Amino acid sequence: QVQLVESGGGVVQPGRSLRLSCAASQFTFSFYSIHWVRQAPGKGLQWVAVISNDGSKEYYADSVKGRFTISRDNSKNTLYLQMNSLRVEDTAVYYCARQLRGYNYGSIDYWGQGTQVTVSS
Amino acid sequence: QSVLTQPPSASGTPGQRVTISCSGSSSSIGSNSVNWYQQLPGTAPKLLIYSNNQRPSGVPDRFSGSKSGTSASLAISGLQSEDEADYYCAAWDDSLNGVVFGGGTKLTVL
Repeated sequence: QVQLVESGGGVVQPGRSLRLSCAASQFTFSFYSIHWVRQAPGKGLQWVAVISNDGSKEYYADSVKGRFTISRDNSKNTLYLQMNSLRVEDTAVYYCARQLRGYNYGSIDYWGQGTQVTVSS
Repeated sequence: QSVLTQPPSASGTPGQRVTISCSGSSSSIGSNSVNWYQQLPGTAPKLLIYSNNQRPSGVPDRFSGSKSGTSASLAISGLQSEDEADYYCAAWDDSLNGVVFGGGTKLTVL
């Protein structure tokens, strides 16, 4: 069964940095594009970023562009999200999610359980 | 404010058929396929429909999707109590170069 396990969340002050990780298993990680999607408390889903299977392409939501960086290490089956200059509005559960192969970005077939990021002074 | 527009709530009685709409633009739904997700309380989202009308393995055929122009719909027939959840539509947007989600529709089974 496909597994995506996020880690690295926590409480951080505004302006500080945090790096999330997502450990993938039970599938060939290097074949798939992977997304980060977040959900603020009581709110809807918000897409954050996606990286292609080989790491050559990255796309970001305008709200995080220039502050967040998505990356991956296919030798370690791990996805990362480096979050800099964090803001209170970045507070959310962050999900790592696998893109359905062969379909347009946005077709996400597996999701992790999420990691909570809280930005507060 | 979400790029894709969904009604905030919908409801129905057991056995009934309900539909949830999702309105976008020429650069989102008008140019790309639509996906639907179900999120039960306290859990991660689950893919319900992809590529406008395709069901992943394990999703009951009570769930169906359609798309026309810049709008899409999710239909749930034979409504069951376990269908009570939040439903989200999503698509790639060529202008934003990113995935856009609807604001979500909370479905209540009366």
